[in-house]
Amino acid sequence: RKEVEQDPGPFNVPEGATVAFNCTYSNSASQSFFWYRQDCRKEPKLLMSVYSSGNEDGRFTAQLNRASQYISLLIRDSKLSDSATYLCVVNLNTNAGKSTFGDGTTLTVKP
Amino acid sequence: NAGVTQTPKFQVLKTGQSMTLQCAQDMNHNSMYWYRQDPGMGLRLIYYSASEGTTDKGEVPNGYNVSRLNKREFSLRLESAAPSQTSVYFCASIGRNTDTQYFGPGTRLTVL
Repeated sequence: RKEVEQDPGPFNVPEGATVAFNCTYSNSASQSFFWYRQDCRKEPKLLMSVYSSGNEDGRFTAQLNRASQYISLLIRDSKLSDSATYLCVVNLNTNAGKSTFGDGTTLTVKP
Repeated sequence: NAGVTQTPKFQVLKTGQSMTLQCAQDMNHNSMYWYRQDPGMGLRLIYYSASEGTTDKGEVPNGYNVSRLNKREFSLRLESAAPSQTSVYFCASIGRNTDTQYFGPGTRLTVL
């Protein structure tokens, strides 16, 4: 079993749709959690950190469920520019420890 | 600030050749990382350096060596390249008291 698992998709949605991605992790001692965005053939960039209390940044909402060991990302009112691969990242330590990446979920938003 | 830079951007090697991938960051970050990304897959950690003078193996270290030359620079060496090492290689760094990784633009390596 992989340490971090994501539904690979692809998710193909129309503009304006709401889409949700889930990610599960196997190590209950994991401390910090993130969503990164990766555009085709480019480097990943941080989208948002994920906190136990949940956090929102504009159209994006991230949530963490420690009991069930999963992380979610919700995108509302999808834009064409949201088309990308979304990577779930889990750190065992909170301070510059090793990161484990999921394989990514691909989203295509269509007009 | 240039952030994280990597050289070269592209490289083609023949099986058995050696090469060094260079990475440098100008953000005064302590920790640096080397990942590889194969098509359709996430990033896998090759080696990392939590601080200057230290290096540790990641998930897939076989066939690679690293050097943390100073706080700014972290190089990855392939001593005898194999076709299985064809991949995109990303370098990243993290500052103290933060978990945000900043990535370089990647090196696209093909081993024939």
